Amino acid sequence: DTGVSQDPRHKITKRGQNVTFRCDPISEHNRLYWYRQTLGQGPEFLTYFQNEAQLEKSRLLSDRFSAERPKGSFSTLEIQRTEQGDSAMYLCASSLAPPTGDSDTQYFGPGTRLTVL
Amino acid sequence: AQSVAQPEDQVNVAEGNPLTVKCTYSVSGNPYLFWYVQYPNRGLQFLLKYITGDNLVKGSYGFEAEFNKSQTSFHLKKPSALVSDSALYFCAVRDSDRGSTLGRLYFGRGTQLTVWP
Repeated sequence: DTGVSQDPRHKITKRGQNVTFRCDPISEHNRLYWYRQTLGQGPEFLTYFQNEAQLEKSRLLSDRFSAERPKGSFSTLEIQRTEQGDSAMYLCASSLAPPTGDSDTQYFGPGTRLTVL
Repeated sequence: AQSVAQPEDQVNVAEGNPLTVKCTYSVSGNPYLFWYVQYPNRGLQFLLKYITGDNLVKGSYGFEAEFNKSQTSFHLKKPSALVSDSALYFCAVRDSDRGSTLGRLYFGRGTQLTVWP
């Protein structure tokens, strides 16, 4: 399978614990995005990387959230001191960067569903 | 500011009948428009996009969408619905300004399509 992969698929944690999610993009894609989706809503942008550089962060990304892409390949999203409001599906997507063809299309992984008790 | 509206939370249609899922958008520049489909507990699957050119774009699984600049709409259509088309559909937009580093997509809240036999 050469699509975007995410690990774990499900995570249950207690309030106050730290969690880390991993995303592996499509191999030739140099842009990587994180979104959050809560029940009944569309995905909301969190942040994105071009290679290892984090180019944009949403105001949704509080200081408890941190994302890295140290070698320009896989990325991790860490949430510290989780709160019940962090319960959501965390989606990762990847794309080529302009001006490469099809750079506009983001391809999504299956998501990591986080439940904070 | 960029935004997307999907005015219908649910669309119900009989198998074999045509279907339409509505989307309107707001962007500051020229829009790049996308449709994604989400099956239960899965990530988003790309269906089609409008970047430039012909206002009628064709995508996967027999879906098509028509870009209407004057009405700022990008409705998803299919001539003959299948039961297997039942899923959650999301419209998304981004600004076409390639000079910026903005890569985020803005999503609507989604429309649940149910096709009954």
